Amino acid sequence: EADIYQTPRYLVIGTGKKITLECSQTMGHDKMYWYQQDPGMELHLIHYSYGVNSTEKGDLSSESTVSRIRTEHFPLTLESARPSHTSQYLCASTSPLYNEQFFGPGTRLTVL
Amino acid sequence: GIQVEQSPPDLILQEGANSTLRCNFSDSVNNLQWFHQNPWGQLINLFYIPSGTKQNGRLSATTVATERYSLLYISSSQTTDSGVYFCAVGEDSNYQLIWGAGTKLIIKP
Repeated sequence: EADIYQTPRYLVIGTGKKITLECSQTMGHDKMYWYQQDPGMELHLIHYSYGVNSTEKGDLSSESTVSRIRTEHFPLTLESARPSHTSQYLCASTSPLYNEQFFGPGTRLTVL
Repeated sequence: GIQVEQSPPDLILQEGANSTLRCNFSDSVNNLQWFHQNPWGQLINLFYIPSGTKQNGRLSATTVATERYSLLYISSSQTTDSGVYFCAVGEDSNYQLIWGAGTKLIIKP
């Protein structure tokens, strides 16, 4: 199993603020993902990376950006938060052996 | 693209009951996973099961790849089994998962 860490777990901020959600994994997985999810609803892929210096947008349009400078670190940044960004953000990585995805605990973001 | 349908969308049971959750998918897949999302939002891996049958305690899963469906069985339900159960499928070629809408399970004491 992968150890995936996300910080902060909860965040309440005002409109217009810049924020970065952190995601790190300790297993050396190349493939990492960011999902957005409203409570109890379907997951939507917003960004993914297949390795260092590789980032792609997912199926759901998002105003966020990501970077992948180190294998273990995949932060997500919102330049100017808006109430429509209120959601849970889940980070995941994939085991190369079986292509199985593992998830971090998530960040619950509320933008006032 | 591949479509994933889960049924039932909602299920309410008494503690101790058994349940079967279904996941249908529209095309051949090389990856199928079942997850449980607890009330705190954490997604927990239950099974990686692109084909065959697996069991883990009170939970078991079966995927019939040729007929494009998977079943998750929960026996002797406990209140801690409550939450949303997601099925997700994928093809090895793009390493992404396509998600079902989930089954919301409520176990009453």
